[in-house]
Amino acid sequence: LAKTTQPISMDSYEGQEVNITCSHNNIATNDYITWYQQFPSQGPRFIIQGYKTKVTNEVASLFIPADRKSSTLSLPRVSLSDTAVYYCLVGAGGYNKLIFGAGTRLAVHP
Amino acid sequence: NAGVTQTPKFQVLKTGQSMTLQCAQDMNHNSMYWYRQDPGMGLRLIYYSASEGTTDKGEVPNGYNVSRLNKREFSLRLESAAPSQTSVYFCASSEAGGTNYGYTFGSGTRLTVV
Repeated sequence: LAKTTQPISMDSYEGQEVNITCSHNNIATNDYITWYQQFPSQGPRFIIQGYKTKVTNEVASLFIPADRKSSTLSLPRVSLSDTAVYYCLVGAGGYNKLIFGAGTRLAVHP
Repeated sequence: NAGVTQTPKFQVLKTGQSMTLQCAQDMNHNSMYWYRQDPGMGLRLIYYSASEGTTDKGEVPNGYNVSRLNKREFSLRLESAAPSQTSVYFCASSEAGGTNYGYTFGSGTRLTVV
């Protein structure tokens, strides 16, 4: 299984760019990297997914270096509503399931 | 446009009671999952169903059973509830298994066992 390591918590202020880095040294060739966001009392919500290089959507950007052993989720100009837990997930090879770690608790302050 | 629907949203059980958590998705997804989340923790996989007619154990299956009733519905049963099963339960679905498909989660069932 590809284990992930990410910071337990981060603090930021409104308007700043936030970068959350995830390590996944044992990522398999076929694995994608996926990030989810979870607000209190809600289920996780898919944010972005990538395989290599850079992916951007309306919410975030995902940067993946050539060796794919880490990835960085970038949230531009965060607001208070971005306060949430962010999970980095990597697939377990051919298994049909995602394993969640503890995630990164992001707190955005006024 | 419902996505994944879970019922009930809240439930209080006495130790030893049984109950079934219901989950239904309307996205024609093949794979479905049950996770539990304890306070301040990440999600842990209980059971999953890669496709209709199949179910497999996840990380923490003890004390639970599941039924993939049809392609839309995947239920989780607690036969004899224990206080250690107090948690928030999330159902999810995906088009197929593997990490190159995003998961859609329900809003959760908050279960308290006293």
